[in-house]
Amino acid sequence: DADVTQTPRNRITKTGKRIMLECSQTKGHDRMYWYRQDPGLGLRLIYYSFDVKDINKGEISDGYSVSRQAQAKFSLSLESAIPNQTALYFCATSDPPFGEQFFGPGTRLTVL
Amino acid sequence: AQSVTQLGSHVSVSEGALVLLRCNYSSSVPPYLFWYVQYPNQGLQLLLKYTSAATLVKGINGFEAEFKKSETSFHLTKPSAHMSDAAEYFCAVSVDTGRRALTFGSGTRLQVQP
Repeated sequence: DADVTQTPRNRITKTGKRIMLECSQTKGHDRMYWYRQDPGLGLRLIYYSFDVKDINKGEISDGYSVSRQAQAKFSLSLESAIPNQTALYFCATSDPPFGEQFFGPGTRLTVL
Repeated sequence: AQSVTQLGSHVSVSEGALVLLRCNYSSSVPPYLFWYVQYPNQGLQLLLKYTSAATLVKGINGFEAEFKKSETSFHLTKPSAHMSDAAEYFCAVSVDTGRRALTFGSGTRLQVQP
C-alpha cells in the first residue's frame, strides 16, 4: 500500500463550488504539506503543518484552507473554487532532520 | 529566502548519451538540495539528496549530482541515457530550518530519442 494517499485522484467541478481534497499517510511523520503544480511553474507551497495544532500558510494560501484532523490526515479545501485553481495538487510528508519529502500521487482538479 | 533556477525547460538527448540537467540555487545559509523525478501521471519520487556530507551524491537509476558551493550549483548527470529516463525532473532546496518546506525549480522535461 502507498505511504501517502490522496483522494480523489481526479475531480471536475464548477466555479463557486466548495471542494475538499484529502490526504492520508502511514509514514508516521509529523510534518505534512500541500503543494500545487502548474506547467512551467514547478510546485508551490500552499499550506504546511508540523502537528495537529501547528498550521502555517505557504506562499500561495489565498483561496485555500486546511484542516489537520490527526497526525495522519491533512485536508485541503477550496471554499469557492475558481478556474485559476485548476491544477495538480500534491500532498507530502517529511521527517527531520533534512526535509526530504515524500509525495502522494496527486489530485488533478479542474474548475470550469 | 531561497530559490532555485533550472536552466532549460526541455532537454533532448539520444539514448546512450550523457544526461546533464542544470540547477543553480540561491541561499544565504548552507542548503539541503534534492532532485526529484516525475513520470507521467505520477507523483514525485526522490532521486537523490545533498545534506552537507559528500559533495558528490549518487542516487537511484544511475543518476548522480555534485554540489559546488563556489558555483552555487547542483547539476544532475547520468552517463548513459535510457528510454525509461524520459520524465520531468525537479531540483529543490531547503534552507529554512524552521519551516523545512521545499522550494522547487520550474522543472526540466527530459526527452530521450531512440
